[in-house]
Amino acid sequence: EAQVTQNPRYLITVTGKKLTVTCSQNMNHEYMSWYRQDPGLGLRQIYYSMNVEVTDKGDVPEGYKVSRKEKRNFPLILESPSPNQTSLYFCASSAHAGFGTEAFFGQGTRLTVV
Amino acid sequence: KNEVEQSPQNLTAQEGEFITINCSYSVGISALHWLQQHPGGGIVSLFMLSSGKKKHGRLIATINIQEKHSSLHITASHPRDSAVYICAVRSFYDKIIFGKGTRLHILP
Repeated sequence: EAQVTQNPRYLITVTGKKLTVTCSQNMNHEYMSWYRQDPGLGLRQIYYSMNVEVTDKGDVPEGYKVSRKEKRNFPLILESPSPNQTSLYFCASSAHAGFGTEAFFGQGTRLTVV
Repeated sequence: KNEVEQSPQNLTAQEGEFITINCSYSVGISALHWLQQHPGGGIVSLFMLSSGKKKHGRLIATINIQEKHSSLHITASHPRDSAVYICAVRSFYDKIIFGKGTRLHILP
């Protein structure tokens, strides 16, 4: 089954404690991206990747890091989380850049930073 | 002004009603996506359009490139259609721009 898998689904952490949200897709997609969703603001892109070792900033990259060492995995790293990073996060992938083909989303990670 | 505008923001209807959600955009696009997000968070792709019309079950999506407008229609609506519907456009620069979503509530 074609899918994007995010883990964990829920996470509560404290300010400053490094964390990683994993994202994996099984469709051999080139394009992967991370979004955060906040009430009233909708989905905003954090980072995206066109292929292995090719990543770029989206609209709200501050406080986040990503890596793309393998085609299937695109982890999101918060080196020093702060309360303003409390949000619902989604990973997504598509065969071609910028959702040029059907987009597949992970189930979401609800992060709370206290 | 947002580059992608959806209307209405919220919609409550009775089961069985015909539903229309609109999306207008101000940029040149190569594709438009309709997404569905159920309570609990997961996002599912419903349609990807670059012209004309697509139908899947009770859902119909249309796009008018000249008018920069797309509509999502739901026929014979059902409470399980209650969700947030999100319009997203792919600009000519491969940038994805999301609308803020339309929250639909279908009453039994």
